[in-house]
Amino acid sequence: LAKTTQPISMDSYEGQEVNITCSHNNIATNDYITWYQQFPSQGPRFIIQGYKTKVTNEVASLFIPADRKSSTLSLPRVSLSDTAVYYCLVGERGGADGLTFGKGTHLIIQP
Amino acid sequence: GAVVSQHPSRVICKSGTSVKIECRSLDFQATTMFWYRQFPKQSLMLMATSNEGSKATYEQGVEKDKFLINHASLTLSTLTVTSAHPEDSSFYICSAGDLLTYEQYFGPGTRLTVT
Repeated sequence: LAKTTQPISMDSYEGQEVNITCSHNNIATNDYITWYQQFPSQGPRFIIQGYKTKVTNEVASLFIPADRKSSTLSLPRVSLSDTAVYYCLVGERGGADGLTFGKGTHLIIQP
Repeated sequence: GAVVSQHPSRVICKSGTSVKIECRSLDFQATTMFWYRQFPKQSLMLMATSNEGSKATYEQGVEKDKFLINHASLTLSTLTVTSAHPEDSSFYICSAGDLLTYEQYFGPGTRLTVT
């Protein structure tokens, strides 16, 4: 499985757009990029998944450059409730295999 | 999205006793479920893969005789922590993969405290 590198922590303010970048230099051809959000004492929650270019859903956007060696999770207009740990995972499309979590990024949103 | 439940949400037990944690996929069938453990301020660590109707596959360093896994049906997997010790105190999380949506859904977790 490709190793991922993310910032350990980030700070931002309510109403701002937050971009969290993940490096995955050894991503394989069959690998997808998936982001999860985890609040304290809760299980991770799926945010978004992509393979290349840009993916957008109701909560976030995922930008993936052509070489796919990195990806950026974009959270528009964050609120205090977006304070959480965000994990970037790289691997074959989910469902059949256990996931390898890195250290994640602790995002803290301030008023 | 699909829902995965866990029971109990938290449990306190005495050292030396066994504790069973249930994981259920509520609206889809899961031939494979996964068990993770998370210590405070650390990331999730995969413990084992639970396969319906067959033996679980354990990650390196996880004692199969201590962490018994049973996947008796397509919607239920159980993790039993046998002869629990204080160092087994942790947050245990299960997940199930939906092969139709390619998403992996996580349960809410079980907080185990061994005194």
